[in-house]
Amino acid sequence: AQSVAQPEDQVNVAEGNPLTVKCTYSVSGNPYLFWYVQYPNRGLQFLLKYITGDNLVKGSYGFEAEFNKSQTSFHLKKPSALVSDSALYFCAVRDRNYGQNFVFGPGTRLSVLP
Amino acid sequence: DTGVSQNPRHKITKRGQNVTFRCDPISEHNRLYWYRQTLGQGPEFLTYFQNEAQLEKSRLLSDRFSAERPKGSFSTLEIQRTEQGDSAMYLCASSPPDGSRGNEQFFGPGTRLTVL
Repeated sequence: AQSVAQPEDQVNVAEGNPLTVKCTYSVSGNPYLFWYVQYPNRGLQFLLKYITGDNLVKGSYGFEAEFNKSQTSFHLKKPSALVSDSALYFCAVRDRNYGQNFVFGPGTRLSVLP
Repeated sequence: DTGVSQNPRHKITKRGQNVTFRCDPISEHNRLYWYRQTLGQGPEFLTYFQNEAQLEKSRLLSDRFSAERPKGSFSTLEIQRTEQGDSAMYLCASSPPDGSRGNEQFFGPGTRLTVL
């Protein structure tokens, strides 16, 4: 069975500082990995994905994530946080050999303090 | 706006009533997904369509839930004999043909269901 863990319910960071939102996953095969962001009263928006190739993937709004197969992790990072980055972030995984069943983590609330 | 749309945005109903939600995906997207999201949780997969065919269903999708996509365009999700536990945000997402393997999904704003 597939699963995603986001070990932190809440991450607080000062504006201008680097941020990391953690994600670990479990799949029986090889994963497709995704990060989505949810702003209040808005739908989920895609940030970035790992399909294959380079372990470091770059996405929207200056975000990036690193796929680490040995640690089964896909942490989201940004070198310099903005107050406008404050939102709810979801990691998701799909097993390449397990159809279209996407599994989402419980979400991490990011607060960037001015 | 050519994004995914969902109607209604909010639905309040009494326990035991039937409700139906509609999702209009991005026009060139042949893949359509329904999810349920409760407060403090991530979206939970309910079902998946490729064109008009319903190819996957979660065990979360009890026999009171039915989804259709009759012409491979819009989709409906019906809940019969609603229960208070059905109260949640119901999300629809679409994605294009999987040419690059693992396309991201584009989500609609959701329909918030409250069962009294």
